[in-house]
Amino acid sequence: GNSVTQMEGPVTLSEEAFLTINCTYTATGYPSLFWYVQYPGEGLQLLLKATKADDKGSNKGFEATYRKETTSFHLEKGSVQVSDSAVYFCALSDRNVDTGRRALTFGSGTRLQVQP
Amino acid sequence: GAVVSQHPSRVICKSGTSVKIECRSLDFQATTMFWYRQFPKQSLMLMATSNEGSKATYEQGVEKDKFLINHASLTLSTLTVTSAHPEDSSFYICSARDGIEDQPQHFGDGTRLSIL
Repeated sequence: GNSVTQMEGPVTLSEEAFLTINCTYTATGYPSLFWYVQYPGEGLQLLLKATKADDKGSNKGFEATYRKETTSFHLEKGSVQVSDSAVYFCALSDRNVDTGRRALTFGSGTRLQVQP
Repeated sequence: GAVVSQHPSRVICKSGTSVKIECRSLDFQATTMFWYRQFPKQSLMLMATSNEGSKATYEQGVEKDKFLINHASLTLSTLTVTSAHPEDSSFYICSARDGIEDQPQHFGDGTRLSIL
């Protein structure tokens, strides 16, 4: 079946540091890949997405490249801010082979803490 | 951008009470809505998928009679936790998507349910 593996957190960085959150996936088909961010007490917000190999998703200084050869979709940001502190979820959307339905499969989430 | 409104944001009630959570798409037609459950510091677990005008499809292990889902219109889905007990306490999040399967899901802000 499909699965998403993220690096465990928390990740603690100082402001303006470089961020990488690793994400690898296993999928039976040709998934779309997403990064979602969850601020405390809130739902998830779509941060960026990529729908095919070599696509680069980017938003608010974050970016991630769909690497089919390494089945990865690592999230990066050149200079983090305190306001980036949140939980980040990597996810894939693929058609379930048993049900035929397209659904999201989430990683376990990585908590980022940025200190001033 | 697409907005999903979830209400209420927090519910505290006594054991045995039934609780209804509403999920509305404000500026698009949500052909499909999803209900997730999230335990503290864990990822989202899909509970059920609902399509407007038809019965919800529940994931394995989710009790249909416990978690009643009604997707009566293209902008509203409701989740009713019937006869709630303390073990039902959790963070419930809905998401919505329009008719195009490749489009990302848009999430509500979640409902924190606490059963005393």
